[in-house]
Amino acid sequence: DVKVTQSSRYLVKRTGEKVFLECVQDMDHENMFWYRQDPGLGLRLIYFSYDVKMKEKGDIPEGYSVSREKKERFSLILESASTNQTSMYLCASSHTGNTIYFGEGSWLTVV
Amino acid sequence: AQSVTQLDSQVPVFEEAPVELRCNYSSSVSVYLFWYVQYPNQGLQLLLKYLSGSTLVKGINGFEAEFNKSQTSFHLRKPSVHISDTAEYFCAALRGSNYKLTFGKGTLLTVNP
Repeated sequence: DVKVTQSSRYLVKRTGEKVFLECVQDMDHENMFWYRQDPGLGLRLIYFSYDVKMKEKGDIPEGYSVSREKKERFSLILESASTNQTSMYLCASSHTGNTIYFGEGSWLTVV
Repeated sequence: AQSVTQLDSQVPVFEEAPVELRCNYSSSVSVYLFWYVQYPNQGLQLLLKYLSGSTLVKGINGFEAEFNKSQTSFHLRKPSVHISDTAEYFCAALRGSNYKLTFGKGTLLTVNP
């Protein structure tokens, strides 16, 4: 089975802190994604990566950056956390044109 | 641009009743379609997918969906629901040559005893 692992399930951070959300997949997928999920808004794509060191902005990239130094790992970075970034963050991975598999999610609260 | 519309934000049903969750997509090109389920405080789990072939797709937990190209629909059905089916369900579309899923806003299915 495909496994997408998000290292932190629940985090509480202070406004202005730098936050790292880590994601690892074990299926040699070339594509990895970070989504944000909010009530009533569904899932919105923040960034995705189709290869090591390659990235593209999704629908809501403002306030976020990403890093993909190794194929299996994709990190989401909040340079200076703000309260409006309190949300659930979902990492996912896939082969191109095929099923996308999701991690369990990371609940981030910014106070 | 690709879009996915889930017509109902909430669907309450009684246990053992049939249910249909509706999904329409907009695309004139070949598209792959998916249904995901999200249980409380969990990530998204793939329920079923349509890539090609038979238009009736069977998934896990007794769910099935029918791809209807003329109506651009991919409705999810289950003949008899259980309390444990209470969850949020997301329809999603992927263009074959693209990387990115487009999601609907989700349908909260609540199964009451």
